[in-house]
Amino acid sequence: AQKVTQAQTEISVVEKEDVTLDCVYETRDTTYYLFWYKQPPSGELVFLIRRNSFDEQNEISGRYSWNFQKSTSSFNFTITASQVVDSAVYFCALSEAGGSQGNLIFGKGTKLSVKP
Amino acid sequence: DSGVTQTPKHLITATGQRVTLRCSPRSGDLSVYWYQQSLDQGLQFLIQYYNGEERAKGNILERFSAQQFPDLHSELNLSSLELGDSALYFCASSVAGETADNEQFFGPGTRLTVL
Repeated sequence: AQKVTQAQTEISVVEKEDVTLDCVYETRDTTYYLFWYKQPPSGELVFLIRRNSFDEQNEISGRYSWNFQKSTSSFNFTITASQVVDSAVYFCALSEAGGSQGNLIFGKGTKLSVKP
Repeated sequence: DSGVTQTPKHLITATGQRVTLRCSPRSGDLSVYWYQQSLDQGLQFLIQYYNGEERAKGNILERFSAQQFPDLHSELNLSSLELGDSALYFCASSVAGETADNEQFFGPGTRLTVL
């Protein structure tokens, strides 16, 4: 069965600290896609990244980076030099190619608070 | 702004009532997805429509139904409302409906409060 686990419910850091949000997934499919979404206090869901199961290359986008490791079924997200505007709930999600045609299975989310 | 619009933004109603939530996908997107976000259940997939046809069903209650119209907008109907239906309801859209590899763009959500 497919599942996404974000073990960290809440994380609090001080501005400029680096922070890593963990995501562990379970799937039987060999082809799947992993996503990260950000939900700021305003409530909307903002897409951050998509990664397919055949591409284990790490990705960096500005202060954001993602580490995908199939061996440990993890897709972790690191924010470098965090800023107050990074305060939000972050969701990791899984979509299986063989599953229900692309619907997203979300983790419970990690609430990140960045204090000045 | 994702390009997905949802109305209304907020909805307050009483138990037993029926409400309709509306979603307009991004221009060119054929798939519409509905998700429910509640404190206890988190973000859950409800249902997907692709070009007017139901494509996938998730944890959608029998009291809930949805449809996608020829102009591709979608409506989620919630009936016999219970207190536990209070949640944030998101609509998302994507270009395709056939594969998992398509980015879903989310609307701002409709916050439903059942009193």
